[in-house]
Parts: sequence; C-alpha cells; structure tokens
Amino acid sequence: GAGVSQSPRYKVAKRGQDVALRCDPISGHVSLFWYQQALGQGPEFLTYFQNEAQLDKSGLPSDRFFAERPEGSVSTLKIQRTQQEDSAVYLCASSFEGVNGYTFGSGTRLTVV
Amino acid sequence: AQTVTQSQPEMSVQEAETVTLSCTYDTSESDYYLFWYKQPPSRQMILVIRQEAYKQQNATENRFSVNFQKAAKSFSLKISDSQLGDAAMYFCASSGGATNKLIFGTGTLLAVQP
Repeated sequence: GAGVSQSPRYKVAKRGQDVALRCDPISGHVSLFWYQQALGQGPEFLTYFQNEAQLDKSGLPSDRFFAERPEGSVSTLKIQRTQQEDSAVYLCASSFEGVNGYTFGSGTRLTVV
Repeated sequence: AQTVTQSQPEMSVQEAETVTLSCTYDTSESDYYLFWYKQPPSRQMILVIRQEAYKQQNATENRFSVNFQKAAKSFSLKISDSQLGDAAMYFCASSGGATNKLIFGTGTLLAVQP
C-alpha cells in the first residue's frame, strides 16, 4: 500500500479484556517497530521486527504484551487482560533501509475503561 | 542508555516569523542519527529533518534547518517563515545501536499566530 495502515483507529476496551492491534506496513519493508505514546508524552519503543524475526522486545512493559509478525509483513500487537495504564496511542513504523526511511502509521488510540 | 530532552513544552510564533525549538540528547553510541518529527492531530509522525551525527554540516530542508552541536549534544530546529500549517507537536529523536530504534523527547507544542 501507499502507507502504513493501522487498525482499528480507536479501540475502547473494558479492563481485563484482551485486545489485538493490527499494523500493515509498506510492502517490502523489512523493519517494523511498535511504539507506545501515552497522553502528553513522546512515543516509547516497544518492540522491533526484521522480517518475521522479533529481534528486540526490550520495551514491552509486561508479559501481558505480545507481538508477532508471522509472515514478515502484517504485524499484530496483542495486549492481554488490559489495565487502565495501557491506555495510549500505539504507533507502528516500517522501514526498508533502516534509519533513512521510517514511515509511521496514524496509530491506534486504546482507551481502557 | 540514550535520552532526549526537550525543555520547551510550548512555543508560539507569529506567521512569517522564525522560531527555534531546542533539544539536547545523550548517547553512548558512536554512530547515530538525530531527527525532528512533526505530529499533527491526525497522530501520524511526519519526518521534518534528519541529521547524521558524523556529518558536520547542518541539515536543511526548505524552511527547516538544524543547529547541530555535537560536543554540546545539542540539536535545535529552526523554522523560518512560519506558516499556519506548521502548528503541531514537534518531537526530537535519536537513534542508534543494533536496531536503530528511535528515542523520543517529550515534545514541544508549536502554535502559529496569524
């Protein structure tokens, strides 16, 4: 596609519910990143994929967070047993050649009530 | 660990005037990049300008330029001839290391007054 597509754009979840956030990167982009942006803050790194391999998951805040990219294209960020502190915008970015070409999606705003 | 600090939570500029947004950073990487991103209400991060740390020459992109002071670990953004469309949140970021993940500052909200 022409850009990085994220869905849904908005998600309201009840506390304790599981959610799945989807990222469709630009076709052919090898690198894929997930970031979490709390209200009024800058984005914070969650995890990084190179093709289907998850090479860095050091930013995942707890074992309730899980990300996958099974075929090296679409990625899903799953949050189990959501809590209020999980409320944030989740941004996805993809790149073909590393730092020279990040493209961000418009994010998913997750609100946990 | 890498850190990025933006000390100006909000800035305001008159249309057609010039404004400078400040950023300082700290990194242990010898090879790194610095960025300014713009985030409008649509939430999408838009790259404004990029600087390779090994290049001494300051990057410029049309009305946007940076003042990169490597020894001082300072990376400010100058916007010339400000336009109403420049109003947005601006984030400074650095990257480096094996994955080149981005480390962001807390942002500066820029208002442009007509």
